Amino acid sequence: AQSVTQPDIHITVSEGASLELRCNYSYGATPYLFWYVQSPGQGLQLLLKYFSGDTLVQGIKGFEAEFKRSQSSFNLRKPSVHWSDAAEYFCAVGGGSQGNLIFGKGTKLSVKP
Amino acid sequence: EADIYQTPRYLVIGTGKKITLECSQTMGHDKMYWYQQDPGMELHLIHYSYGVNSTEKGDLSSESTVSRIRTEHFPLTLESARPSHTSQYLCASRGGSAVSEAFFGQGTRLTVV
Repeated sequence: AQSVTQPDIHITVSEGASLELRCNYSYGATPYLFWYVQSPGQGLQLLLKYFSGDTLVQGIKGFEAEFKRSQSSFNLRKPSVHWSDAAEYFCAVGGGSQGNLIFGKGTKLSVKP
Repeated sequence: EADIYQTPRYLVIGTGKKITLECSQTMGHDKMYWYQQDPGMELHLIHYSYGVNSTEKGDLSSESTVSRIRTEHFPLTLESARPSHTSQYLCASRGGSAVSEAFFGQGTRLTVV
């Protein structure tokens, strides 16, 4: 069955430091992968997505993610975190048996001044 | 910018009341979803629809019901609200392609007292 694992529930980084949020997926075919961000009390906003081609994907707000098929991973990165990046981040895989997106449990990012 | 709207944003209601949470999208998407999310927690799919007159229950059992009479409208109804229904409800829509991302509304935060 398809699944998404985000191993880190909560991560704290200092402002200006680099960031990597982990995402591992289980999917039999070529996965369609997404990263979303959710600010408190808001809906989810798409950061980036991957479905084919270059395995390094650029997104909004300076985020990027790298698809590694051999590791079944799609980790999200940012070279320098800003205080406004503090939010909840969700990884998702598409293409399930009913075509629904399957979300991970999310990683909460806190940013220290 | 996503064209999917949820009303109300916030709702406080007494136990036993009937409520309807509204969700509308102007993108012509066939697929629509309702998720339930407790603060800072994962998303739980409670209902989805693949088009007019199509509704299915999601992974999480819910006492709510949905209808899809028009493509753009996907309301969720609780016949008799209870404190256990207190949560955030997120509506989303998605295009027909497997690589399509989901667009989310801003959510309805429901409190049942």
